[in-house]
Amino acid sequence: EIQLLQSGGALVQPGGSLRLSCVASGFTFTSFAMNWVRQAPGKGLEWVSAISGSGETTYHADSVKGRFTISRDKSKNTLYLQMNSLRAEDTAIYYCAKSASSMMVVVVLDSWGQGTLVTVSS
Amino acid sequence: DIQMTQSPSSLSASVGDRVTITCQANHEISIYLNWYQQRPGKAPKLLIYEATNLETGVPARFSGSGSGTAFTFTISSLQPEDVATYFCQQYDNLPPLFGGGTKVDI
Repeated sequence: EIQLLQSGGALVQPGGSLRLSCVASGFTFTSFAMNWVRQAPGKGLEWVSAISGSGETTYHADSVKGRFTISRDKSKNTLYLQMNSLRAEDTAIYYCAKSASSMMVVVVLDSWGQGTLVTVSS
Repeated sequence: DIQMTQSPSSLSASVGDRVTITCQANHEISIYLNWYQQRPGKAPKLLIYEATNLETGVPARFSGSGSGTAFTFTISSLQPEDVATYFCQQYDNLPPLFGGGTKVDI
């Protein structure tokens, strides 16, 4: 059974930093691209970042480019999202999601984590 | 960026009704279109990929059609457990944008 177990959400002040984690199990971690998708309270889904199965290629939405960094550690089967210079508009539930392909551009999200809440407020 | 316009934004139907949701892209995206279901308080779940393919384990009352710029998602016979918000998502190119969602109530 595929499982994506997330952690790291918290209340953080504007300008602060946070790192989200997503531990994967039940599949060969390096064979699939991984993604972060967020959902502001009461709003729709916004794709944030993607990383290829090898970890060599990444892509970030314009709204987070230069502030967020996606990475993966194959030795720990863990996906990360390092979030710096956080803003109030980054407040959302953040989901990690597995792609159905190793290629970053094939964004078919076939398994999702439970979500973790990030609140940016003073 | 490719924009996805999803309609309606909400609908209410009865158990057993046929429900249809549309998604329109402002550029050609071939068949690179997925549909997700998000039940209240839960993570999204993939239902349909590549416009028409049913994800493993998803009931056959769900279906998708279309290509190019116009896509349709259908629930052939609405069930109580189908109360959820449904999202389309294109992946013809990055960033893979989602539609605004359709909230389905009974």
